Amino acid sequence: DAGVIQSPRHEVTEMGQEVTLRCKPISGHNSLFWYRQTMMRGLELLIYFNNNVPIDDSGMPEDRFSAKMPNASFSTLKIQPSEPRDSAVYFCASSLLLAKNIQYFGAGTRLSVL
Amino acid sequence: ELKVEQNPLFLSMQEGKNYTIYCNYSTTSDRLYWYRQDPGKSLESLFVLLSNGAVKQEGRLMASLDTKARLSTLHITAAVHDLSATYFCAVDAGSGTYKYIFGTGTRLKVLA
Repeated sequence: DAGVIQSPRHEVTEMGQEVTLRCKPISGHNSLFWYRQTMMRGLELLIYFNNNVPIDDSGMPEDRFSAKMPNASFSTLKIQPSEPRDSAVYFCASSLLLAKNIQYFGAGTRLSVL
Repeated sequence: ELKVEQNPLFLSMQEGKNYTIYCNYSTTSDRLYWYRQDPGKSLESLFVLLSNGAVKQEGRLMASLDTKARLSTLHITAAVHDLSATYFCAVDAGSGTYKYIFGTGTRLKVLA
């Protein structure tokens, strides 16, 4: 299996622009997680889905952030409008519930908002 | 609210030495995970501890779980430079949520 695939790997944008991050989970996994990692705040859970349904979005920082999972093999995290403080590495992870529930992480998207 | 604390936050050690990283958590949980992150890279799963008294070992790393003390340890034996990385513990938040709460991470540097 190719693992969790995220795109793009790097994104540089200007303040106010819309940013869309993409994630393809491991085939057969039924949970998907979006995290943000910064030096100041560490690793934060933004939102997670079970069977394509958003379960907990309490970590989404503001209304500027939204996430969707239209099917079992694709998810997006959108920031609109982006701000410099959104600069971070965004990770997507997937897991198979009711097993050991090990989360497998993608390579991450490094976002820089200028 | 579940809180997960790791200590130390930073650890610089000589090759060949032993050391332990501690992970404390605040509420009951019976699943704990250890991950490794190399600089600029993603998180890699190291160990899954699923019950009280669980012990897992891989090479120079050994992880254990004491659910009564709400404590997990990651012991490093005879450290080598290749073990330099940041190590995270994560606790299953329970209550059917299946989400993790991550610790702050321990940045380990092994000096040759």
